[in-house]
Amino acid sequence: AQKVTQAQTEISVVEKEDVTLDCVYETRDTTYYLFWYKQPPSGELVFLIRRNSFDEQNEISGRYSWNFQKSTSSFNFTITASQVVDSAVYFCALRPTSGGYNKLIFGAGTRLAVHP
Amino acid sequence: DGGITQSPKYLFRKEGQNVTLSCEQNLNHDAMYWYRQDPGQGLRLIYYSQIVNDFQKGDIAEGYSVSREKKESFPLTVTSAQKNPTAFYLCASSIYLRVNQPQHFGDGTRLSIL
Repeated sequence: AQKVTQAQTEISVVEKEDVTLDCVYETRDTTYYLFWYKQPPSGELVFLIRRNSFDEQNEISGRYSWNFQKSTSSFNFTITASQVVDSAVYFCALRPTSGGYNKLIFGAGTRLAVHP
Repeated sequence: DGGITQSPKYLFRKEGQNVTLSCEQNLNHDAMYWYRQDPGQGLRLIYYSQIVNDFQKGDIAEGYSVSREKKESFPLTVTSAQKNPTAFYLCASSIYLRVNQPQHFGDGTRLSIL
């Protein structure tokens, strides 16, 4: 089965706290891609990062960082020094390479609320 | 600016009525997709199209129909057969055959039943 699990439904933090959003995936493909998207209250999904299955290097982009661990099938997302503007729903998604088309499998999302 | 435009932003459907959601992209992408989002759930794929005049059912195609007559356009019709149409609908596009490329999304259409 191919599946993405985001166990945290909602997270509430106070501004400047660090927060980690968990993502666990399942796939039998040896080659696959993982994505994180942000959905602000306006509704559109904003692409944040892509990671392929052969690249386990962690990535940092400003206050955002991603920890990909193939051994535990996890691709966690950390926001350092959170800000109110980070309040959104965050989706983790899996793109397997089997199946013949560009299918994206989404987790249920984690709603992050950052309070001043 | 290149992007995906969805219209209308809000749509109301009467009982027994078909409604059509518009999706236009100027990114020159070959592939386009329609997703449905329900509260507390991830996005579920309704239909996708990899090329003009070709489209395939996704995971929840029943009660929906699409057409792809132009590369830029991929309208979704919610038919009266869809008994629970209230949801947020998102259109997306991506470069064909490049599975490592992200899908780009529109702003969505929120559909409600009157």
